[in-house]
Amino acid sequence: AQKVTQAQTEISVVEKEDVTLDCVYETRDTTYYLFWYKQPPSGELVFLIRRNSFDEQNEISGRYSWNFQKSTSSFNFTITASQVVDSAVYFCALLWTGNQFYFGTGTSLTVIP
Amino acid sequence: GAVVSQHPSRVICKSGTSVKIECRSLDFQATTMFWYRQFPKQSLMLMATSNEGSKATYEQGVEKDKFLINHASLTLSTLTVTSAHPEDSSFYICSVSDADREYEQYFGPGTRLTVT
Repeated sequence: AQKVTQAQTEISVVEKEDVTLDCVYETRDTTYYLFWYKQPPSGELVFLIRRNSFDEQNEISGRYSWNFQKSTSSFNFTITASQVVDSAVYFCALLWTGNQFYFGTGTSLTVIP
Repeated sequence: GAVVSQHPSRVICKSGTSVKIECRSLDFQATTMFWYRQFPKQSLMLMATSNEGSKATYEQGVEKDKFLINHASLTLSTLTVTSAHPEDSSFYICSVSDADREYEQYFGPGTRLTVT
């Protein structure tokens, strides 16, 4: 069975602080993809990153970075020097062979100015 | 990536009426389309999967007679909520994928349905 767990329901940080959003997944497939999406109040999902199961290299994109560790089945997302515009709900998701997405329950991030 | 649109973006309807939501893939051959529902402060839940020209496959607990899905072409799928009730108020999101491009899926901007 596929499962994605985002244990942090809500996080509040003060602007310029770093924040890490946790994601733990379960799958028996050897081939799969992991995603992070941002969902601002407007509701539209904003694609942030996609990683395949064979690429454990960490990735950095501006203030965003991702740490993929297959040994712990985790795909954590860090925002450095957070800004108010980062306030949103963030979803971690797993896409597997059946071409179906499994979404985590989301983490609501509030950045306080 | 693909450009996916949904129409309308917001709709308010009265209880007992039906409402149709369109999902269009503007530059992508959407052999498969997915419909998700998201209640406030909750995650996205897959409702159904439809392949072009075939009947949709519904997830457990989703009433196929209430949520009619038509996927008549590679660029258009429609979701009709029949005899809507207030509990159907939700955010509906579609996504598209191509059988030749596995592990790629693109989401529409969503439709917010409010049933009064």
